[in-house]
Amino acid sequence: QITLKESGPTLVKPTQTLTLTCSFSGFSLDTSGVGVAWIRLPPGKALEFLTLVYWDDDKRYNPSLRSRLTITKDPSRNQVVLAMTNVDPLDTATYYCARLLITGGKRLDHWGQGTLVTVSS
Amino acid sequence: DIQMTQSPSTLSASVGDRVTITCRASQSVSGWLAWFQQKPGTAPKLLIYRASALETGVPSRFSGSGYGTDFTLTISGLQPDDSATYYCQQYNSFTFGQGTKLEI
Repeated sequence: QITLKESGPTLVKPTQTLTLTCSFSGFSLDTSGVGVAWIRLPPGKALEFLTLVYWDDDKRYNPSLRSRLTITKDPSRNQVVLAMTNVDPLDTATYYCARLLITGGKRLDHWGQGTLVTVSS
Repeated sequence: DIQMTQSPSTLSASVGDRVTITCRASQSVSGWLAWFQQKPGTAPKLLIYRASALETGVPSRFSGSGYGTDFTLTISGLQPDDSATYYCQQYNSFTFGQGTKLEI
């Protein structure tokens, strides 16, 4: 059974760095053709892709957020960490992590339940 | 960056109807497109990948088609449980469409 779960602070002050952890089970990030992505859903808005790390440590970033994002993986602990610097109230959103599978066609096939992060002073 | 434009933004239909949602890419994404269903307070659920492949466990009344820049999601025999927001996502640079809210 594949599961993912996001964890981290629920409230962050403007200008601080937000750090979120995705803990997963049922698959390995050492396996070829696998990746983990971060996506967010701001209230009243659409899903937004943030970043992705592949099994071989190749990474992809949303160009509009590239300078503020860092994604790292720790396959031994089955975790992927997202760091977002200099947060703003506009970063208030539900943050999801999801597994990317490439074999047979790229897709985000399993998602975490999401974690709501509020940016406010 | 590749932009994805969905239409319509909102859609109202009745039980048993057939509806189509379209997604247009600003440049070709080949067949690398997926469709998701999201209900309030829950994570998105994968429906279709590689433009037309049905994800395991998804009812066959959901279908997808298209290639290059133009794609469609069709839902046949609408059920009340299909009320949700639907998103397309391309897998060249992973951007999502702006969503289509379907009301039954």
